[in-house]
Amino acid sequence: DAGVIQSPRHEVTEMGQEVTLRCKPISGHDYLFWYRQTMMRGLELLIYFNNNVPIDDSGMPEDRFSAKMPNASFSTLKIQPSEPRDSAVYFCASSLVLGGNQPQHFGDGTRLSIL
Amino acid sequence: DAKTTQPPSMDCAEGRAANLPCNHSTISGNEYVYWYRQIHSQGPQYIIHGLKNNETNEMASLIITEDRKSSTLILPHATLRDTAVYYCIVRVSGSARQLTFGSGTQLTVLP
Repeated sequence: DAGVIQSPRHEVTEMGQEVTLRCKPISGHDYLFWYRQTMMRGLELLIYFNNNVPIDDSGMPEDRFSAKMPNASFSTLKIQPSEPRDSAVYFCASSLVLGGNQPQHFGDGTRLSIL
Repeated sequence: DAKTTQPPSMDCAEGRAANLPCNHSTISGNEYVYWYRQIHSQGPQYIIHGLKNNETNEMASLIITEDRKSSTLILPHATLRDTAVYYCIVRVSGSARQLTFGSGTQLTVLP
């Protein structure tokens, strides 16, 4: 079975540019999560969706960050304008249902470097 | 979510069983024990989870003590590809709160 697919794997761009990260969750999974991982703060939940609807975006750091899920098989995380402190590894994860103790399955992440 | 304590690092010889301990003495009755691992440059990978019974899947076994205050993840025949940081997490079933990874245990499988 295909896992969670993220693209690009690496992104290097200059400060001020728009960055779009993409995620394809596992087919049939109702929940999609966006995380950010840094050495300083570890793994942080940014936002999660249920059936394409954003449920909790309290982890989104600023208005510069936005996330969409136009359909069940695709989500984007956008940063505009990007800043050096946004440099991190961004992970997308999906799970089958929230109840029933289903685990979250992660993609391999996008390593973002803002110069 | 209950706090967990794991040793910072462990070594294991290739082909031998790797036993990774986790203390979660403040676990409550509706909290599950989850294990994830993160291999360098990859996303966290789900391994196994359980409530109070021992569990086994194709990757590992999970042994939970009767009082549920500690658990052990067992990789029966460790390979070099099992070298990773292993995280023990305790959380309520159905919780969508973020997965909080502690420091974990760096397992190094030696040839």
